Amino acid sequence: DTEVTQTPKHLVMGMTNKKSLKCEQHMGHRAMYWYKQKAKKPPELMFVYSYEKLSINESVPSRFSPECPNSSLLNLHLHALQPEDSALYLCASSRERGQEETQYFGPGTRLLVL
Amino acid sequence: AQSVSQHNHHVILSEAASLELGCNYSYGGTVNLFWYVQYPGQHLQLLLKYFSGDPLVKGIKGFEAEFIKSKFSFNLRKPSVQWSDTAEYFCAAARREAGTALIFGKGTTLSVSS
Repeated sequence: DTEVTQTPKHLVMGMTNKKSLKCEQHMGHRAMYWYKQKAKKPPELMFVYSYEKLSINESVPSRFSPECPNSSLLNLHLHALQPEDSALYLCASSRERGQEETQYFGPGTRLLVL
Repeated sequence: AQSVSQHNHHVILSEAASLELGCNYSYGGTVNLFWYVQYPGQHLQLLLKYFSGDPLVKGIKGFEAEFIKSKFSFNLRKPSVQWSDTAEYFCAAARREAGTALIFGKGTTLSVSS
């Protein structure tokens, strides 16, 4: 089973709202990732977690706040977003951040910021 | 900086035509290479991957790719496309050391007419 689940599937929020995206995997993977994908563009890496610790932050604005409460769960907390943050947010996981690893992607959360 | 280039932005083929999508990466060290596919309304799925060994790799749905180190290329091929292959195709690379995350190419939209 190579399933990564993400909730919600769709989210509409105002610029003053606080919301959270959730990602879950039960494959025993110890590396988890957040990507942002704008329409007709490739996914762009935002954050990498390894063994529940933040390993990479690709200079993402602080209005995006990741959290990895346990090895199966990855959250992305959103606060004071801008309309240009509207995108598909993808979560991925891999066994580890090792040398020969494959990332498996979830279906994404489509976010619209009004 | 590492980058991935996909030469074809939009490819239009008739069913049964042969397909080749170009991908080049710009990193002199050892890389892991991937092709992902995104069908309309669906999430990113792994088509095939190359880590080491035989440079000709076979993936799902009749796709294959050839790693040519001297050309920094990892082109995707399929001898006979089907209407159901209509999708967005992304080439991606990751530097082998330290398990760095994926860098995606801009993607190629494949449209297959029946």
